Amino acid sequence: AQKVTQAQTEISVVEKEDVTLDCVYETRDTTYYLFWYKQPPSGELVFLIRRNSFDEQNEISGRYSWNFQKSTSSFNFTITASQVVDSAVYFCALSEANAGNMLTFGGGTRLMVKP
Amino acid sequence: EPEVTQTPSHQVTQMGQEVILRCVPISNHLYFYWYRQILGQKVEFLVSFYNNEISEKSEIFDDQFSVERPDGSNFTLKIRSTKLEDSAMYFCASSEDNYLYNEQFFGPGTRLTVL
Repeated sequence: AQKVTQAQTEISVVEKEDVTLDCVYETRDTTYYLFWYKQPPSGELVFLIRRNSFDEQNEISGRYSWNFQKSTSSFNFTITASQVVDSAVYFCALSEANAGNMLTFGGGTRLMVKP
Repeated sequence: EPEVTQTPSHQVTQMGQEVILRCVPISNHLYFYWYRQILGQKVEFLVSFYNNEISEKSEIFDDQFSVERPDGSNFTLKIRSTKLEDSAMYFCASSEDNYLYNEQFFGPGTRLTVL
């Protein structure tokens, strides 16, 4: 079974639209961290956010916001007023207390923002 | 700002050849990792390394793979006899320690092409 599932493989929006990227995770640990990474066309992995399992507060950073809901095991990522530069593959990842510090990544969502 | 560096950026090799991928982690970091991303797929954990020993490894990290910290700055991944299916982007990462909340800083990756 997938530990991190990103059901949307590809999303296409027009600039200035809002877009939400879904992430559902599975773990038996009570202590874990969730992450989002951005992979632009150049290929590197850019850290966006981490959230621990005890903190369900939503977070906003500029045009980015994250909604963490333990009840549904989801950690969704919303980009408000998308821009062409947001075009990238976005990965959600999980780190569990009983799995060392390894990151388990989801399959990624390719976001294309058209002008 | 300190960053993880990787060399080469692209390596082309013949099947059966040995390759060594090099990484220079951030200088005060103690934990090092290798991840792999086959083209168009998710990022997969290979191995974590601390205090000159492997801490965790995945099923992918078989006897063909080895890691080493030959000096105080480099961290290498060796593939002894490359196969076609080893073609992928290999990412090195490092973190200050292995607490779950610690961000893993990723390098830009080395694209390995096995012909």
